Amino acid sequence: SQQGEEDPQALSIQEGENATMNCSYKTSINNLQWYRQNSGRGLVHLILIRSNEREKHSGRLRVTLDTSKKSSSLLITASRAADTASYFCATPSQGGKLIFGQGTELSVKP
Amino acid sequence: NAGVTQTPKFQVLKTGQSMTLQCAQDMNHEYMSWYRQDPGMGLRLIHYSVGAGITDQGEVPNGYNVSRSTTEDFPLRLLSAAPSQTSVYFCASSRLPGLAGEGNEQFFGPGTRLTVL
Repeated sequence: SQQGEEDPQALSIQEGENATMNCSYKTSINNLQWYRQNSGRGLVHLILIRSNEREKHSGRLRVTLDTSKKSSSLLITASRAADTASYFCATPSQGGKLIFGQGTELSVKP
Repeated sequence: NAGVTQTPKFQVLKTGQSMTLQCAQDMNHEYMSWYRQDPGMGLRLIHYSVGAGITDQGEVPNGYNVSRSTTEDFPLRLLSAAPSQTSVYFCASSRLPGLAGEGNEQFFGPGTRLTVL
């Protein structure tokens, strides 16, 4: 079964707006990762947040983690048309496995 | 570095045929895995390996075999293709995760789009 579940499944915004995607997970974790997938391509790692961190920034990306609620959010500020992609959260499982959620499909309209 | 490479990029099979999807990485990563991606289902883990000679099942292993004879290569074999195996297949590799919360950032190949008729 899926460990991480993203919300919303799809998001459409205008260029310049902020985009927020949420991820919920079921079991205790020691880190959570976010990935991006452009149409027809492989996934690319964006950012990793550890369980002892509450917030992390990377350029226009801001990730938060609330271990008490078992949830994380990814915020993309001042979005651009090039940010159009699917975004996935991933959490570790035993044996080094990463379990991915179903993803949020983001569309940024120019 | 080439990173993670996958061949072929596209493949069409008939039901019952067998084939091998190739995956190779040149980053000396211990961990390698295969995922399939279907519309509305996200990525589902098929098989994974934590080192040469060691493989284990993921969420959806039925109909697939893997082996890991070298650190670099992790082929995925479809034993008898079925239409339900029509999907996009991704191979990924990473270092093994650390014990103190260091994550294993995964590097993905470009994918193989498989159609089974």
